[in-house]
Amino acid sequence: QKEVEQDPGPLSVPEGAIVSLNCTYSNSAFQYFMWYRQYSRKGPELLMYTYSSGNKEDGRFTAQVDKSSKYISLFIRDSQPSDSATYLCAPAYMEYGNKLVFGAGTILRVKS
Amino acid sequence: DTEVTQTPKHLVMGMTNKKSLKCEQHMGHRAMYWYKQKAKKPPELMFVYSYEKLSINESVPSRFSPECPNSSLLNLHLHALQPEDSALYLCASSRGTGELFFGEGSRLTVL
Repeated sequence: QKEVEQDPGPLSVPEGAIVSLNCTYSNSAFQYFMWYRQYSRKGPELLMYTYSSGNKEDGRFTAQVDKSSKYISLFIRDSQPSDSATYLCAPAYMEYGNKLVFGAGTILRVKS
Repeated sequence: DTEVTQTPKHLVMGMTNKKSLKCEQHMGHRAMYWYKQKAKKPPELMFVYSYEKLSINESVPSRFSPECPNSSLLNLHLHALQPEDSALYLCASSRGTGELFFGEGSRLTVL
């Protein structure tokens, strides 16, 4: 079993849709939860960062963490064609540095 | 300023060459990382430096040699690479806990 499971998609939605991206994880040591957006041939860009369970909102993006069920979500409201990218969940724990484990990444395509 | 700068952006090298990738950050972060990313795959951790000391080596072949000259700089020395080492090499930095900030990467092609 992989430490982090994420459906690779691709996920195709019309412009303006609400997008739900999800990951599950198995390691109870994860304390920090990040979502990255990666455009083709670019480095990952940090979108959201949360510590422990709960919700965090930033503009059109909402991150949710449920540690009891080991479930991580990212919601994108009013999706735009510019949101088309690969989204990577990345839970992390501290071990001689920030040990971050990436999910496989979900390819999102927002059609105009 | 959340910038991690990597040079060169692109590198082509033969299997007998020696080259280096460079990474720089001025955010005062004390942990720096090298990741390798193949096409359509997530980044894979190679090395972690914490307070300028190598703290994690994910069983990376010795043809990759990291170096952390000071708290702002991270190098990856490359020697006798194989074509399968062609990938995007990403540098990242972080505070003690929390977010990792990535550079744009160095795209390496080994002929």
